[in-house]
Amino acid sequence: DQQVKQNSPSLSVQEGRISILNCDYTNSMFDYFLWYKKYPAEGPTFLISISSIKDKNEDGRFTVFLNKSAKHLSLHIVPSQPGDSAVYFCAASARNTPLVFGKGTRLSVIA
Amino acid sequence: DTGVSQNPRHKITKRGQNVTFRCDPISEHNRLYWYRQTLGQGPEFLTYFQNEAQLEKSRLLSDRFSAERPKGSFSTLEIQRTEQGDSAMYLCASSLAWGEETQYFGPGTRLLVL
Repeated sequence: DQQVKQNSPSLSVQEGRISILNCDYTNSMFDYFLWYKKYPAEGPTFLISISSIKDKNEDGRFTVFLNKSAKHLSLHIVPSQPGDSAVYFCAASARNTPLVFGKGTRLSVIA
Repeated sequence: DTGVSQNPRHKITKRGQNVTFRCDPISEHNRLYWYRQTLGQGPEFLTYFQNEAQLEKSRLLSDRFSAERPKGSFSTLEIQRTEQGDSAMYLCASSLAWGEETQYFGPGTRLLVL
């Protein structure tokens, strides 16, 4: 039973446009959510996080939105750049427990 | 840069051999995690330590796997009698135990069992 789901395996976006990556979760105990970016043969790199007490967190071009009632979060990247092309993982945890990851979405930003 | 480091980065071994991986966490982090990632999947939790205490093990961690963190600093993950199904990327992450819960990952060790 997947507790964190990323239903889009891949996404293509033109350079300069907005990229929206989605993530759904089932465990209502999750209270901390993170997005990681991963290049091939490297470890995941932390991008941005959000606590369940917030509904939005912004860091430069990256914004994460959390909708607790829908158990849904999304990552917005504006504007998208070719260097953003990577696999993006959504992860969640419940009060200092190990992270549960989705399967990832491969983002391709086309110049 | 004092991020998480892992050694070796790559390991090729024959089925039945033992392998050991090392992880050095960010120095002030007292929590250390091991994950495994296979193709097309997200990282899956294996085990974690708070200081030198191993607090949780996943059911993915068979009895051929053992992890240690003897002085609460670096950690080792050993796989005995490797099988082809053990081929994966083994990832280490660290975090503070209180306050910020963000886990920072190392570059991983890619294991190939022939």
